[in-house]
Amino acid sequence: DAGITQSPRHKVTETGTPVTLRCHQTENHRYMYWYRQDPGHGLRLIHYSYGVKDTDKGEVSDGYSVSRSKTEDFLLTLESATSSQTSVYFCAISESMVGAGSSYNEQFFGPGTRLTVL
Amino acid sequence: AQSVTQLDSQVPVFEEAPVELRCNYSSSVSVYLFWYVQYPNQGLQLLLKYLSGSTLVKGINGFEAEFNKSQTSFHLRKPSVHISDTAEYFCAVGIYSGSARQLTFGSGTQLTVLP
Repeated sequence: DAGITQSPRHKVTETGTPVTLRCHQTENHRYMYWYRQDPGHGLRLIHYSYGVKDTDKGEVSDGYSVSRSKTEDFLLTLESATSSQTSVYFCAISESMVGAGSSYNEQFFGPGTRLTVL
Repeated sequence: AQSVTQLDSQVPVFEEAPVELRCNYSSSVSVYLFWYVQYPNQGLQLLLKYLSGSTLVKGINGFEAEFNKSQTSFHLRKPSVHISDTAEYFCAVGIYSGSARQLTFGSGTQLTVLP
């Protein structure tokens, strides 16, 4: 299994409080991603990183910020949590691979963090 | 931008019966495709991938998928399912061109294998 850990694994918090989720990898992969998973929506990309201090927004980035100060760590912050951010959050990592003469990315997923905002 | 549609949100099937989980995608450029499986309370694991070449790809646990470019489909099949195959399955598409290294995921299909 790819070396990806997420912390905490479970968190219950109250509306309006700040929350930070951590993703840690031991694979030295360049790319890291944060997704949220909600019933009927599959996985939706929140933010991703393509290197230290290099990040970009995904399709559901409002209300979230990220930081990556080291290759191995990617933090997701909810500045002021809302009930709509109750979800399961997954971190993924990838590296460019070459197959069939082209470069592609295969993502490996962490175990997830279940966040409940009351 | 690319998109993925998984046509069935839930598929119940009896043990030892065959199953097909459907996935259609749209993209204006060349794609590669994945199927991932998610067991309860776990992260996603790769089942199989299509990069190019042979349109029939085989994965773990006896699953296979066929890439059909003309129908923009990548359906997942297994000839005989087991109780342990009960899980959620996600189709995902990536694009070869550009610097983006993102995948777009379908909404998932819950496969429930009944005894």
